[in-house]
Amino acid sequence: DAKTTQPTSMDCAEGRAANLPCNHSTISGNEYVYWYRQIHSQGPQYIIHGLKNNETNEMASLIITEDRKSSTLILPHATLRDTAVYYCIVRVAGNTGKLIFGQGTTLQVKP
Amino acid sequence: GAVVSQHPSRVICKSGTSVKIECRSLDFQATTMFWYRQFPKKSLMLMATSNEGSKATYEQGVEKDKFLINHASLTLSTLTVTSAHPEDSSFYICSAREAGGNNEQFFGPGTRLTVL
Repeated sequence: DAKTTQPTSMDCAEGRAANLPCNHSTISGNEYVYWYRQIHSQGPQYIIHGLKNNETNEMASLIITEDRKSSTLILPHATLRDTAVYYCIVRVAGNTGKLIFGQGTTLQVKP
Repeated sequence: GAVVSQHPSRVICKSGTSVKIECRSLDFQATTMFWYRQFPKKSLMLMATSNEGSKATYEQGVEKDKFLINHASLTLSTLTVTSAHPEDSSFYICSAREAGGNNEQFFGPGTRLTVL
């Protein structure tokens, strides 16, 4: 599975959009981009995933560049409860793909 | 979303004893379950992949005789830490992939193991 690079930490003001970048320059054509987050001492929570088109759900939006070498997770209106470690993971589609976690980005939402 | 539970949520044991952790998919069937461990302020490390009815596949460096995994049904996988030592103290997290679904993985809440 391709490796990803994320900033170690980011701050965001409550109510503002949080934009979390991820580089995955060695991504293969059959690998999806997944985003999970982990709130302290809990299991990871699925946020969103995509292959090449931008995706949106009730939690966030995922913007993938045309060359697929990077992506951005957008939390449109961050709240204090969004403070967590956010993991960007690339994974092969299908039953054989494993989720391998990198170091992630610690997002601190401040009042 | 699909729910995965773990039991116990936290356990304290004496050095040399064995500890069993259960991972259950509550509202879906999971042909594949995964076990991770996480040390403080570190990321999750995949330990093994557990397939229903077959032997688990362990990641490099993970001792299969130390961490016994059983996936006897489509809703239950167990991890047994044998002869636990203080260095095995960690946060153990399982995840389950839905059979026939979109290959999404859902994570349990984790089990905090402390070995005295």
